[in-house]
Amino acid sequence: NAGVMQNPRHLVRRRGQEARLRCSPMKGHSHVYWYRQLPEEGLKFMVYLQKENIIDESGMPKERFSAEFPKEGPSILRIQQVVRGDSAAYFCASSPQDGVPYGYTFGSGTRLTVV
Amino acid sequence: GQQLNQSPQSMFIQEGEDVSMNCTSSSIFNTWLWYKQDPGEGPVLLIALYKAGELTSNGRLTAQFGITRKDSFLNISASIPSDVGIYFCAGLAGGTSYGKLTFGQGTILTVHP
Repeated sequence: NAGVMQNPRHLVRRRGQEARLRCSPMKGHSHVYWYRQLPEEGLKFMVYLQKENIIDESGMPKERFSAEFPKEGPSILRIQQVVRGDSAAYFCASSPQDGVPYGYTFGSGTRLTVV
Repeated sequence: GQQLNQSPQSMFIQEGEDVSMNCTSSSIFNTWLWYKQDPGEGPVLLIALYKAGELTSNGRLTAQFGITRKDSFLNISASIPSDVGIYFCAGLAGGTSYGKLTFGQGTILTVHP
């Protein structure tokens, strides 16, 4: 039973380009969460999604960032017109039901570097 | 918003020593979690605490959910070299969605053989 799969593991983008980060949840998990980790800091919540539905996007920057979790396929975190400050590790987690009480497993992350 | 203050920021200990770290907040949390993160990897859950006052062990790890619901601590007994890593506390605050964890800043643990 594969864990939460994130790809790519490392992504380099030039300023102004778009970054697309993918997250495939564990089998049977229908809830996905995205977090951002700046160097030497803890993880910061960005967004919580169910299939075709955004539950909580209170941590998402208002501009340039969007997330989706379609009926089929992985969840996508999209960052448009990247800037140097977007350089960070982005982690997704998944759970079988609504959130933390039902188990919450993290992937290995995507390290985004903006040059 | 909710914040978790985790201390100490870093610890350098000898193999075999016990370790203690804690998290405090000015807000109430309904769930406390402790994670370990190795370099280049995602956090891995160590212990989950769901009730105020709860004391839970997982091997050499022991964690407690504070009575006031505003703090938690993690103890590691008889440390070994593979305990090296970054330890994070995380909490689920009341009044937020079940998916939104708040993380502490982390404690970097170094164990000298």
